[in-house]
Amino acid sequence: SAVISQKPSRDICQRGTSLTIQCQVDSQVTMMFWYRQQPGQSLTLIATANQGSEATYESGFVIDKFPISRPNLTFSTLTVSNMSPEDSSIYLCSVRSSYNEQFFGPGTRLTVL
Amino acid sequence: GQQLNQSPQSMFIQEGEDVSMNCTSSSIFNTWLWYKQDPGEGPVLLIALYKAGELTSNGRLTAQFGITRKDSFLNISASIPSDVGIYFCAGQETSGSRLTFGEGTQLTVNP
Repeated sequence: SAVISQKPSRDICQRGTSLTIQCQVDSQVTMMFWYRQQPGQSLTLIATANQGSEATYESGFVIDKFPISRPNLTFSTLTVSNMSPEDSSIYLCSVRSSYNEQFFGPGTRLTVL
Repeated sequence: GQQLNQSPQSMFIQEGEDVSMNCTSSSIFNTWLWYKQDPGEGPVLLIALYKAGELTSNGRLTAQFGITRKDSFLNISASIPSDVGIYFCAGQETSGSRLTFGEGTQLTVNP
């Protein structure tokens, strides 16, 4: 299994500001993903972070709001831009192994006031 | 798009009881994954299933990939208080495609 760390683990932010979340994996992985989990809800895929190219966003998510970087095979960042209270969620980084198993980081708990 | 129906939504059981939960899909899946999420944590992968009819165990947990490839079951035997949490199923239609998640089953175990 992959060991995934995320920073920060939690944050409280003011509306209108931006937060960048970092994801570090202990091994090189091809497929890396960012998910959002709203309180009491299941997981929703935001985008697939592609190394060396632009991220692929799911319906309802746009690059201007959630810019993603993937500079190498072990690291990615997700920025939540121009935040509003509706962005309060858990943001989760995830990677897929060569055996098609998918692992998740511990999450970043974001509260927007 | 695909839909995953996970049931039950919640379960309240006594310690020592067995638990069963399931997911059904409107589409055929190639892979089924089962996760457990504790409060304040990310989901942890419990069991991965890759073939129709496959039955896989992980300690007290047993999961099966349905023959029709549209459903999967997770059983927990002799539950203990640390089994408390939310269990999610997830399915994948083809290798490389996105996972579709169920809505989760909230399990409460009374000591």
